[in-house]
Amino acid sequence: SQQGEEDPQALSIQEGENATMNCSYKTSINNLQWYRQNSGRGLVHLILIRSNEREKHSGRLRVTLDTSKKSSSLLITASRAADTASYFCATGTSGSRLTFGEGTQLTVNP
Amino acid sequence: EPEVTQTPSHQVTQMGQEVILRCVPISNHLYFYWYRQILGQKVEFLVSFYNNEISEKSEIFDDQFSVERPDGSNFTLKIRSTKLEDSAMYFCAGRRQGDGNQPQHFGDGTRLSIL
Repeated sequence: SQQGEEDPQALSIQEGENATMNCSYKTSINNLQWYRQNSGRGLVHLILIRSNEREKHSGRLRVTLDTSKKSSSLLITASRAADTASYFCATGTSGSRLTFGEGTQLTVNP
Repeated sequence: EPEVTQTPSHQVTQMGQEVILRCVPISNHLYFYWYRQILGQKVEFLVSFYNNEISEKSEIFDDQFSVERPDGSNFTLKIRSTKLEDSAMYFCAGRRQGDGNQPQHFGDGTRLSIL
């Protein structure tokens, strides 16, 4: 498998439910970032977690990082229809390039 | 809220032609990047640029590609002789100075279609 793989590939939930997306990676990282992409649009930065951090919150978003398992999760609480988008994790290393995963397509049904 | 802006939003070009994609990064950003996303695939790193020179490039970024920041404002990606497989969304990104733990901010992209 490749650096920055998300699962599930697709997730469909009802408005108000929580959505959890997972990301796994292979190499050492400086940070891990989560991005959102609406169809045909650019990537919107959501949250960055450093390699020495274990958990971070931003509004309805909660990100965890387990460097021993080389994995991260993004939790969106109390989801809304407007949260429908693709979500990508991206790992940052010392070279500063980002390596993206395949993404999770989240659909929140009203 | 400052934004990264990219022009054009959509570029249609004949195979073999040169194309220049333009980006205006956020003014206090010092590191600049180009990524591409082929339809249905993941976002791929092309090149990073700092202090008026390339700092890192991927295997995709071959001799057909070049970048420059000619006037301290615009950041451009040139593809000299386009191929069909160059069709993709091209994203510009930038970040501030620091230890590398700053987010990269992306533009909305240029959809490049090669005919």
